[in-house]
Amino acid sequence: DTEVTQTPKHLVMGMTNKKSLKCEQHMGHRAMYWYKQKAKKPPELMFVYSYEKLSINESVPSRFSPECPNSSLLNLHLHALQPEDSALYLCASSQEPGGFSYEQYFGPGTRLTVT
Amino acid sequence: GESVGLHLPTLSVQEGDNSIINCAYSNSASDYFIWYKQESGKGPQFIIDIRSNMDKRQGQRVTVLLNKTVKHLSLQIAATQPGDSAVYFCAEKAGFQKLVFGTGTRLLVSP
Repeated sequence: DTEVTQTPKHLVMGMTNKKSLKCEQHMGHRAMYWYKQKAKKPPELMFVYSYEKLSINESVPSRFSPECPNSSLLNLHLHALQPEDSALYLCASSQEPGGFSYEQYFGPGTRLTVT
Repeated sequence: GESVGLHLPTLSVQEGDNSIINCAYSNSASDYFIWYKQESGKGPQFIIDIRSNMDKRQGQRVTVLLNKTVKHLSLQIAATQPGDSAVYFCAEKAGFQKLVFGTGTRLLVSP
């Protein structure tokens, strides 16, 4: 299984809502990532988890809260978002953190619209 | 690379042609590079990678060339097919576990 799955595919939420994005991989990867991608732009790193611990936070606003319950799952909790947070949110995973391969496997993303 | 502007550079080719997509990177100390393909509505998909101790690496129908002197990376796609139409991103390793993506190039392949 070389797949990263993300749910939901699409999400529309109001600025006062609380929602969560979910990501799952069963490749035994021990590093997982959240990226944000705006239209016609490259993915921008938000968070990195290594061995279920947060290792990188790219100065992301606190209205985004990541969680890694176990080595296969990654969540992104959303609260009080702004319309400019509307974007494609991508999850990725890679093998051993700091290992030989830096290849990241991406999921299909969640298209988020904040109204 | 830094993302700039609102418009993706676009390369238009005919089916069967060879395509060359270019990328400039900023950090002369970068030692690992990756090319990703992103089709509409999908996440980026790995194409090929190269380490800085190499100048060239070949895959199936794809070749990556690395010129460290001018900090330039290129992706060559042989016999381009309509299924190759996508946005292509180069990415460089920018610290432990971190990849930084370039601006991207849209490849349009017409039959």
